[in-house]
Amino acid sequence: QKEVEQDPGPLSVPEGAIVSLNCTYSNSAFQYFMWYRQYSRKGPELLMYTYSSGNKEDGRFTAQVDKSSKYISLFIRDSQPSDSATYLCARNTGNQFYFGTGTSLTVIP
Amino acid sequence: SQTIHQWPATLVQPVGSPLSLECTVEGTSNPNLYWYRQAAGRGLQLLFYSVGIGQISSEVPQNLSASRPQDRQFILSSKKLLLSDSGFYLCAWSPGQGEAFFGQGTRLTVV
Repeated sequence: QKEVEQDPGPLSVPEGAIVSLNCTYSNSAFQYFMWYRQYSRKGPELLMYTYSSGNKEDGRFTAQVDKSSKYISLFIRDSQPSDSATYLCARNTGNQFYFGTGTSLTVIP
Repeated sequence: SQTIHQWPATLVQPVGSPLSLECTVEGTSNPNLYWYRQAAGRGLQLLFYSVGIGQISSEVPQNLSASRPQDRQFILSSKKLLLSDSGFYLCAWSPGQGEAFFGQGTRLTVV
């Protein structure tokens, strides 16, 4: 069983749409949750980071964690063509990181 | 602020040649350091991680090795490259718990 499961997509949306990206995880230990954005041929860039259930907002991005159902989500409001990238979810426990395989997103102008 | 440097950005090497990829972190001390490999369309595969100077944990037995000669320096090496070593290599650091920060990656092509 994978530590983090992520729908690979690809996902294609029109500019201005709300995007919902989702992951599930299997471990119940205390941990941190992250979302990364990765452009082609670049390293992943940290977008959001949280450790508690509920929502965390940063501009057009909202990270949501539901520990009861082991579900993490990233919402992108007013999506822009520059949001076109691969999005990786991740969790951290101690020294270990577990990454999803990434969801490829294309925002069409 | 903390920064991570990884070089080179691209590398083309013949089969059987040695490899040395370097990663350095600035603006922090005693970071956890990681080497990942990312294959096209696949997730991040952890290769090595280090919690301190000279402390290396290997996750995947293979043709590669890692060293941490200084607190903020992490090196990925190979004595003889194989075709299967081609890929996108990423260095990352973490303060110990919480988020990880990645370098820009090295695209290695073994020919």
